[in-house]
Amino acid sequence: QVQLVQSGDEVKKPGASVKVSCKASGYTLTSYGISWVRQAPGQGLEWMGWISTYSGYTNYAQKLQGRVTMTTDTSTSTAYMELRSLRSDDTAVYYCARSQWEYWYFDLWGRGTLVTVSS
Amino acid sequence: EIVLTQSPGTLSLSPGERATLSCRASQSVSSRNLAWYQQKPGQAPRLLIYGASSRATGIPDRFSGSGSGTDFTLTISRLEPEDFAVYYCQQYGSSPRTFGQGTKVEIK
Repeated sequence: QVQLVQSGDEVKKPGASVKVSCKASGYTLTSYGISWVRQAPGQGLEWMGWISTYSGYTNYAQKLQGRVTMTTDTSTSTAYMELRSLRSDDTAVYYCARSQWEYWYFDLWGRGTLVTVSS
Repeated sequence: EIVLTQSPGTLSLSPGERATLSCRASQSVSSRNLAWYQQKPGQAPRLLIYGASSRATGIPDRFSGSGSGTDFTLTISRLEPEDFAVYYCQQYGSSPRTFGQGTKVEIK
């Protein structure tokens, strides 16, 4: 079954970091890029960035530059998104989504990981 | 950055009725790089339409997309009970990728 399996929900304190994983199943990770998209409670969708799982090239949303790092581990078919210096407004569901090219639609999504930032 | 504005914010309709959702871009979307997604509560978004008018795999033909340039439309010809959800448009032709704020289709 083709799917993206994300890691479990997290609770973090302000100023901490979080690392969310996204494991590709049923297809070869390096055949598609991965974007990360987040959704604050009751809000819309915000694109965070894209990583080429083949080359490691990344393109981050300017708003998150310096706080976000996207990586992949091809040996385990897993993509990662790390967000640092967490603030309360980073509380959101974080999704990974597959796209064949950098400028392409997202045809497969993970189920999401809720990250709660609270003191 | 391309800003996408969806209208209306909420659409109240009955099953069997036709739904017409609009997505307007602040500048032209290159090569019709416009997608539509459906999201139900507690679920991830699901791809419906890509390239402005191509249905994704497994999407029923009651869903159709049209438009080009700055004006795009998603039409649901006859609403089924499972179609009541939030719909987002997204442009993927330039960086950053951006989404509209969503249109909620609710049961009247």
